[in-house]
Amino acid sequence: DTGVSQDPRHKITKRGQNVTFRCDPISEHNRLYWYRQTLGQGPEFLTYFQNEAQLEKSRLLSDRFSAERPKGSFSTLEIQRTEQGDSAMYLCASSSPGQGYGYTFGSGTRLTVV
Amino acid sequence: DQQVKQNSPSLSVQEGRISILNCDYTNSMFDYFLWYKKYPAEGPTFLISISSIKDKNEDGRFTVFLNKSAKHLSLHIVPSQPGDSAVYFCAHGAGSYQLTFGKGTKLSVIP
Repeated sequence: DTGVSQDPRHKITKRGQNVTFRCDPISEHNRLYWYRQTLGQGPEFLTYFQNEAQLEKSRLLSDRFSAERPKGSFSTLEIQRTEQGDSAMYLCASSSPGQGYGYTFGSGTRLTVV
Repeated sequence: DQQVKQNSPSLSVQEGRISILNCDYTNSMFDYFLWYKKYPAEGPTFLISISSIKDKNEDGRFTVFLNKSAKHLSLHIVPSQPGDSAVYFCAHGAGSYQLTFGKGTKLSVIP
């Protein structure tokens, strides 16, 4: 198992464009999480999936953000009409029921909006 | 809302000595506290956790202490090694599987 994979590693986009990130969790993990980390801050929770169901969404997740996890495997996070304030590291994590809060994080996708 | 505060942005320690990383929290509930370690260009890695019903949890060189009366959490690393140099985040988890992270403390272990 190669762990949690995120693609792309880096994304530079112009303000107003749409971007989509992909996360492939560890295969046997049914829980998947998206977090966002900005410079000098800890990761902030965005959303949580159990299998294909999106069970929690942070109020940080504005209408421009949408996440999906079709078939309960990989997940995508889309940001529409990007703004400079969206520049951050987007982290995906996964876990199995027995792990509790000990998630396995991916290396993240760094988004820069210019 | 739960707040988790790491008031020291950085810490330098000599190799072989003890590293003590601190964290304060606001709300008291039946829940868990965790420490994650992060190297540059990598995602955070889970290190150790403690349930709020315990005072101490130990795993090799890493020990986490929970002082519920002071609402204070600390991570002790003994002995510190250069490979421990990283950013350490304390985090809180309760009920749902959402984690609340502190801002992190950058640990530098000097050979």
